[in-house]
Amino acid sequence: GAGVSQSPSNKVTEKGKDVELRCDPISGHTALYWYRQRLGQGLEFLIYFQGNSAPDKSGLPSDRFSAERTGESVSTLTIQRTQQEDSAVYLCASSLGSLNTEAFFGQGTRLTVV
Amino acid sequence: SQKIEQNSEALNIQEGKTATLTCNYTNYSPAYLQWYRQDPGRGPVFLLLIRENEKEKRKERLKVTFDTTLKQSLFHITASQPADSATYLCAEGSNFGNEKLTFGTGTRLTIIP
Repeated sequence: GAGVSQSPSNKVTEKGKDVELRCDPISGHTALYWYRQRLGQGLEFLIYFQGNSAPDKSGLPSDRFSAERTGESVSTLTIQRTQQEDSAVYLCASSLGSLNTEAFFGQGTRLTVV
Repeated sequence: SQKIEQNSEALNIQEGKTATLTCNYTNYSPAYLQWYRQDPGRGPVFLLLIRENEKEKRKERLKVTFDTTLKQSLFHITASQPADSATYLCAEGSNFGNEKLTFGTGTRLTIIP
């Protein structure tokens, strides 16, 4: 597609369940980012991929969070045993991966844990 | 560790005036700073990028400056319009072998007609 696509756009889940969020980056973009944005807050960095490798996982809040990327394309962010504080919009972005290039964001997945 | 701070949470400006938003960083000088616009319920959209060896960048009514002495970037919107109302985010990227992009918390700009 022309832009970064994220699915689902909305997800309501019960506390304790696992969820999987998907990101389809722009074709040819080697860098891929996941951010979390709580209501009225800024963007909180979670993880960054260069190709299929994750040089920086420092933002993952706990071991319940994991992410992978395959084929230098699709990425999935998995949250296990969801908690209410995981409720947020999860944003994915991709870029060409060299310095000085803009990041293109998807519309985000709004996750609500009830 | 590096911190990116946007001093104002919210800024109200009269239509037609210039809006100026501030982004400060605390430690090392970033290789570049980027500015994004975010509307409610949407992902951020890229506006401008400025490199550490550039002092100023312009695009239509937008201007960005980068002052490595003050550790600050200013983002200006001239002849502001109500349609410019949005949250504006600055982000820094540093040349340490990876492409991590770190965002500030944003400034919510409201242009008053």
